[in-house]
Amino acid sequence: AQRVTQPEKLLSVFKGAPVELKCNYSYSGSPELFWYVQYSRQRLQLLLRHISRESIKGFTADLNKGETSFHLKKPFAQEEDSAMYYCALSGNRDDKIIFGKGTRLHILP
Amino acid sequence: DAGVTQSPTHLIKTRGQQVTLRCSPKSGHDTVSWYQQALGQGPQFIFQYYEEEERQRGNFPDRFSGHQFPNYSSELNVNALLLGDSALYLCASSLKGRVEQYFGPGTRLTVT
Repeated sequence: AQRVTQPEKLLSVFKGAPVELKCNYSYSGSPELFWYVQYSRQRLQLLLRHISRESIKGFTADLNKGETSFHLKKPFAQEEDSAMYYCALSGNRDDKIIFGKGTRLHILP
Repeated sequence: DAGVTQSPTHLIKTRGQQVTLRCSPKSGHDTVSWYQQALGQGPQFIFQYYEEEERQRGNFPDRFSGHQFPNYSSELNVNALLLGDSALYLCASSLKGRVEQYFGPGTRLTVT
């Protein structure tokens, strides 16, 4: 079954502390993995894709095929990182996107 | 470019009624996907349209139908509304062959 699991509904982290949002997936094949973010009163937007291997707003995510994980990390949290984060996967180009339930990241001052 | 636009922003309907939601894709995009996001959940794929045809469909009943017009805009229709259809409906557009999907702000549907 194709599934994305985000075990934490809410994650509270102090400003300046490291952040790790967990994501595990189930997919028979080689999916593309993504992290989407939704800031307050804004639309859902793509944060990063595993295939691009880039750092966006200080966030990185490494695909671990052995553990079927795609955790999102940032070494030093900032208050503007507070948002809803969704891990997602897609089978290939033009395919539907399967989302996890999301983790709300709350950065404490 | 305003990006993906959706109308209306909010909608309240009664059980049993029918509703039509509209989406205009980002300029240059030719593929439109619709998602349902219930409260506290991630978006769930409903269907995707390309070249005015439904190309993929998620696990939604036939009460959910759609249409894509020659200008690539799209409509989502839901018949015989149920209380459980209350959700945020998201439209996403993309370019055929590209994996990136761009989302609209959504339409909040409340069924009473």
